[in-house]
Amino acid sequence: AQTVTQSQPEMSVQEAETVTLSCTYDTSESDYYLFWYKQPPSRQMILVIRQEAYKQQNATENRFSVNFQKAAKSFSLKISDSQLGDAAMYFCAYKSRADKLIFGTGTRLQVFP
Amino acid sequence: GAGVSQTPSNKVTEKGKYVELRCDPISGHTALYWYRQSLGQGPEFLIYFQGTGAADDSGLPNDRFFAVRPEGSVSTLKIQRTERGDSAVYLCASSRSGGSGANVLTFGAGSRLTVL
Repeated sequence: AQTVTQSQPEMSVQEAETVTLSCTYDTSESDYYLFWYKQPPSRQMILVIRQEAYKQQNATENRFSVNFQKAAKSFSLKISDSQLGDAAMYFCAYKSRADKLIFGTGTRLQVFP
Repeated sequence: GAGVSQTPSNKVTEKGKYVELRCDPISGHTALYWYRQSLGQGPEFLIYFQGTGAADDSGLPNDRFFAVRPEGSVSTLKIQRTERGDSAVYLCASSRSGGSGANVLTFGAGSRLTVL
């Protein structure tokens, strides 16, 4: 069975600095997708970034980028120029093509002014 | 609709009561998912619909939990004889079928269930 592991329960960063959130996963499949979702106190799960496993190039969305290491089954999220509004729970998630989305346990990110 | 809508936003009930939680997905999304999120945890998969049929219900914890999607749009999660351990946020998500968009789930704001 596929699993997703987030080993950092909490992280903190100063405004304007860079922070990296870690995620590892376990799968025997070769075709899958990886996601980072943000969940603020409002509970709404918001998609931050998506990576398709067959693409070697790391995905980037403005200040958010990933470091996808397929062989190591690692998928970290880098947030550059952190803003107060980035404070939230961040969930790493895995999905094979026709299957359910599997989440990690989350990392709480605090941003200090 | 423009987003995934879940009602009620909050529900408080007594142990042993029956509860229904409703999810209205994005128009045109054929796939619908239910997740349960306990405090401080990541969402746990409950059930997935493709159209009207349950494609995967392996996450339903026991036979007190049941979900339907009779017309392939709105879904209702039904919990019988509620227990205090059922207290959680119940999240619904939907996605398109086919193409790369099929793998991007859009979530609702969830229904917080509290069983006293």
